Amino acid sequence: QLQLQESGPGLVKPSETLSLTCTVSGGSIISTTYYWGWIRQPPGKGLEWIGTIYYSGSTSYNPALESRVTIPVDTSKNQFSLRLSSVTAADTAVYYCARRGSSGPSSWYFDLWGRGTLVTVSS
Amino acid sequence: SSELTQDPAVSVALGQTVRITCQGDSLRIYYASWYQQKPGQAPVLVIYAKNNRPSGIPDRFSGSSSGNTASLTITGAQAEDEADYYCNSRDTSGHLSFGGGTKLTVL
Repeated sequence: QLQLQESGPGLVKPSETLSLTCTVSGGSIISTTYYWGWIRQPPGKGLEWIGTIYYSGSTSYNPALESRVTIPVDTSKNQFSLRLSSVTAADTAVYYCARRGSSGPSSWYFDLWGRGTLVTVSS
Repeated sequence: SSELTQDPAVSVALGQTVRITCQGDSLRIYYASWYQQKPGQAPVLVIYAKNNRPSGIPDRFSGSSSGNTASLTITGAQAEDEADYYCNSRDTSGHLSFGGGTKLTVL
């Protein structure tokens, strides 16, 4: 069945760019049904939506992070990525990639998640 | 993103019924989805589109909505239901947000 796996450095220096990749296996990222997203969770805190991308490249970002976030997609590799610039300690979190489904425009939900990867921002 | 508010903690006696709520203006228009998260694990979708359960989710989990409040109800709570629960919804701009989470303790 379809699986998502996050990968990337576990340690990033302050002011640098955090880069993660989500590899989709067991199915295609090219889908008219699903979007693909990133969610993060600081240690001991709640979930925060970062952004979402469609296979065509159309994106939607959390307004609180929009100035620092880019989510590109590479359909040839069945991957999508996260780029978060100018990181600080506040960006330390477990980062999850997930698949976003919908039951029409009134209901969006993340029905499949990766296991998550901890990224620490520290010098 | 719209703001979704949850009670930080709720407790329930084993076998009893518990309701976890999520409030937000966007819930007047859009449905909430609900996620269960156990320590050290990724969230798992338990309810979507108001009251639909993904395959493998027990039927003791149900969802409902009224006005600006969405609810997740666990009927006959089990020890394995002890977890953090998060609601999630969209807004008119197509942005998503999560509630702050509710820690459920099964006594």
